[in-house]
Amino acid sequence: AQTVTQSQPEMSVQEAETVTLSCTYDTSESDYYLFWYKQPPSRQMILVIRQEAYKQQNATENRFSVNFQKAAKSFSLKISDSQLGDAAMYFCAYRPLNYGGSQGNLIFGKGTKLSVKP
Amino acid sequence: SAVISQKPSRDICQRGTSLTIQCQVDSQVTMMFWYRQQPGQSLTLIATANQGSEATYESGFVIDKFPISRPNLTFSTLTVSNMSPEDSSIYLCSGGTGDWGYTFGSGTRLTVV
Repeated sequence: AQTVTQSQPEMSVQEAETVTLSCTYDTSESDYYLFWYKQPPSRQMILVIRQEAYKQQNATENRFSVNFQKAAKSFSLKISDSQLGDAAMYFCAYRPLNYGGSQGNLIFGKGTKLSVKP
Repeated sequence: SAVISQKPSRDICQRGTSLTIQCQVDSQVTMMFWYRQQPGQSLTLIATANQGSEATYESGFVIDKFPISRPNLTFSTLTVSNMSPEDSSIYLCSGGTGDWGYTFGSGTRLTVV
């Protein structure tokens, strides 16, 4: 079964600095998607960035970028120039490209709570 | 990507009663899911809402307790039946076409007293 592990329950960063959140996953699939979601106190789950496993190039969305290491099954999120509004819970998630026997749902890690200090 | 409107946003209910949560999507989506989330924790999948057929439930969740409807590709409901304080949680719906990630409703914070 696929699993997603986020080993950092909490992280803290100074405003304007850079922080990296870690995520590892376990799968026997060769094609899949990986995602980072942000959940602020408002509870709204917001898609931050996504990566197709068959693309070697790391995804980038403005201040957010990933370091995708397929062989190591690692998918870390880097937030540059951190802002107070980045404070939230961050979830790493996985979904296989082909559902097969699964329902196509996302498999989430336990989350990392990010605090941003002014 | 699709936008999902979820309501109610919060409710306080008496034990033994039922609450129905609705999710309306602004476009047709092939996949819809229902999750439960305790504050500060990750999301637990309750079930996949299948259009025109019975939902597919995860281990630990049963249809009698969490009946789900999905009459079309833009709407789904989750009912929490015969509630107890242990059902107090945040409930979220999610949907998408499956090509990419999914969007989420804004969640329903349920408190059972």
